[in-house]
Amino acid sequence: GAVVSQHPSWVICKSGTSVKIECRSLDFQATTMFWYRQFPKQSLMLMATSNEGSKATYEQGVEKDKFLINHASLTLSTLTVTSAHPEDSSFYICSARARSRVADTQYFGPGTRLTVL
Amino acid sequence: ELKVEQNPLFLSMQEGKNYTIYCNYSTTSDRLYWYRQDPGKSLESLFVLLSNGAVKQEGRLMASLDTKARLSTLHITAAVHDLSATYFCAVDRSNSNYQLIWGAGTKLIIKP
Repeated sequence: GAVVSQHPSWVICKSGTSVKIECRSLDFQATTMFWYRQFPKQSLMLMATSNEGSKATYEQGVEKDKFLINHASLTLSTLTVTSAHPEDSSFYICSARARSRVADTQYFGPGTRLTVL
Repeated sequence: ELKVEQNPLFLSMQEGKNYTIYCNYSTTSDRLYWYRQDPGKSLESLFVLLSNGAVKQEGRLMASLDTKARLSTLHITAAVHDLSATYFCAVDRSNSNYQLIWGAGTKLIIKP
């Protein structure tokens, strides 16, 4: 089956630092990757849509200068939280849409739990 | 703006019982997804419903879609403890770009 990995699984950082989260599709090429954040006991909120080789499309209310997304290849997208603050603490989940799969679905990574002190 | 509403938000039930989770959405879409999430984990795809009248079943779970009523249901038959999890429905707002808008989730606890 399709596998999406995220690295790191969890990270604790000091306020003001930047954190990079990687999302990789391990056994398929992902035409599109999505980034979500999830607060405790809440639903997922779509942050941005990322297509390989082009700029990410951000959802309304998501600061593009704060959440930098780079989709450099068909198997890798990165989310960098710049100058992180405690309110950025959240569970960040990526997903990937497969290029050639018949099944019409997204495959989700295991998530990255970010805690900003 | 597309809104997705699930109900109930929390459900506690005994093993062996049947129950239905409802997912209503506010604008036209032909793509609806059901996912399961265990505590602290990511999401597992359960069903993808792509057309009006679609019905899919896997084990004790069955999902259906009525695009005219903008309603999907997830029916649990003879629940077992292993089905305890949070269940999310999500609707593709664009019908093609897989930009999903999510329901709030239904936390399901099944007691032995």
